[in-house]
Amino acid sequence: QKEVEQDPGPLSVPEGAIVSLNCTYSNSAFQYFMWYRQYSRKGPELLMYTYSSGNKEDGRFTAQVDKSSKYISLFIRDSQPSDSATYLCAMQAGTALIFGKGTTLSVSS
Amino acid sequence: DSGVTQTPKHLITATGQRVTLRCSPRSGDLSVYWYQQSLDQGLQFLIQYYNGEERAKGNILERFSAQQFPDLHSELNLSSLELGDSALYFCASSRGDQETQYFGPGTRLLVL
Repeated sequence: QKEVEQDPGPLSVPEGAIVSLNCTYSNSAFQYFMWYRQYSRKGPELLMYTYSSGNKEDGRFTAQVDKSSKYISLFIRDSQPSDSATYLCAMQAGTALIFGKGTTLSVSS
Repeated sequence: DSGVTQTPKHLITATGQRVTLRCSPRSGDLSVYWYQQSLDQGLQFLIQYYNGEERAKGNILERFSAQQFPDLHSELNLSSLELGDSALYFCASSRGDQETQYFGPGTRLLVL
């Protein structure tokens, strides 16, 4: 079993839809949880950073962490074509970030 | 723009060769991390340097080595290159140890 599992998609939605992206993990030592967005041929860009269980909101983005279920989610409200990218969940227990393989999202106008 | 710079952007070389990838961290950041991204393995941690010292190692092959210089820029050396080393190589930096990591634009390596 991989430490971090993420459905690779692809996920296609119309503009304005609510998008839900998810990751599960097996290592209970993970303390920090992140979502990165990666456009084609670019480096990962940090979107959200959370420490504890619960929700964190930033504009159209909401990150949710459920440590008891070892499950994290990213919700995107009112999705835009500019949100089309690969979304990577990442987790950290020490130094290294452990990444999911990424979910490719396409938002059509 | 994260403030992390990497050169070159693209590199094409042959099997058996050696290449050097360069990374300049964000101003004020002491930690530099190297990651490899391939289609089958995803983004994988290779190695971290903190203020010139090796701090952590991940899935880094013995043919690969890195160092961080006094001005805090870092180089990743890849030798005896194989076809399977073709990948995107990212550098990330953070202010301290185990803090938020910001990624550079990457170097795309193609080994023919």
